[in-house]
Amino acid sequence: NAGVTQTPKFQVLKTGQSMTLQCAQDMNHEYMSWYRQDPGMGLRLIHYSVGAGITDQGEVPNGYNVSRSTTEDFPLRLLSAAPSQTSVYFCASFRGGNYGYTFGSGTRLTVV
Amino acid sequence: DAKTTQPPSMDCAEGRAANLPCNHSTISGNEYVYWYRQIHSQGPQYIIHGLKNNETNEMASLIITEDRKSSTLILPHATLRDTAVYYCIVRSNAGGTSYGKLTFGQGTILTVHP
Repeated sequence: NAGVTQTPKFQVLKTGQSMTLQCAQDMNHEYMSWYRQDPGMGLRLIHYSVGAGITDQGEVPNGYNVSRSTTEDFPLRLLSAAPSQTSVYFCASFRGGNYGYTFGSGTRLTVV
Repeated sequence: DAKTTQPPSMDCAEGRAANLPCNHSTISGNEYVYWYRQIHSQGPQYIIHGLKNNETNEMASLIITEDRKSSTLILPHATLRDTAVYYCIVRSNAGGTSYGKLTFGQGTILTVHP
């Protein structure tokens, strides 16, 4: 089915470990974003991309890196995991114009 | 993007209409009103959006006041599955880097009860 696919769905990391959260979309959307959601809070923008090779920082970018080598994929890298990065991470893509964003089902990350 | 204000929570009886208000008094002329909902920690789901005219789709209706400073999302016959957090978001469709951003507030927790 067309949409945004995030892997893994769950992950436990030790402090200091690195990992990459994967996000892929098959709708040929130009715009992709990463958000984090902490308990009882709304989503906060980490990084976003307006096309292959173009990324920019959102509201809470520290501790995360992104790259966009293809239209389909937008991985989020945690360089050195910290307990403060325990959260649920959502990837989203957007076609542009008068359309809504499509969100993935999320990755639940715990850093111990 | 303009700031939005929503009530933190609302209740609705199953089968009745749920009317969720949103205030966006600083909205500018090229900004649209979008509504999303998030059901129990799933990814947010797009519901509807509009600029100045009322809009309706298979999920909901959106009523925007004439001065565009507030809007109401209407779920005409709420079901238990409509229990979710509803987010009202104002953003420009002018293109460029602003397309990458959606700014979420706290939203309204809608509880539909039997």
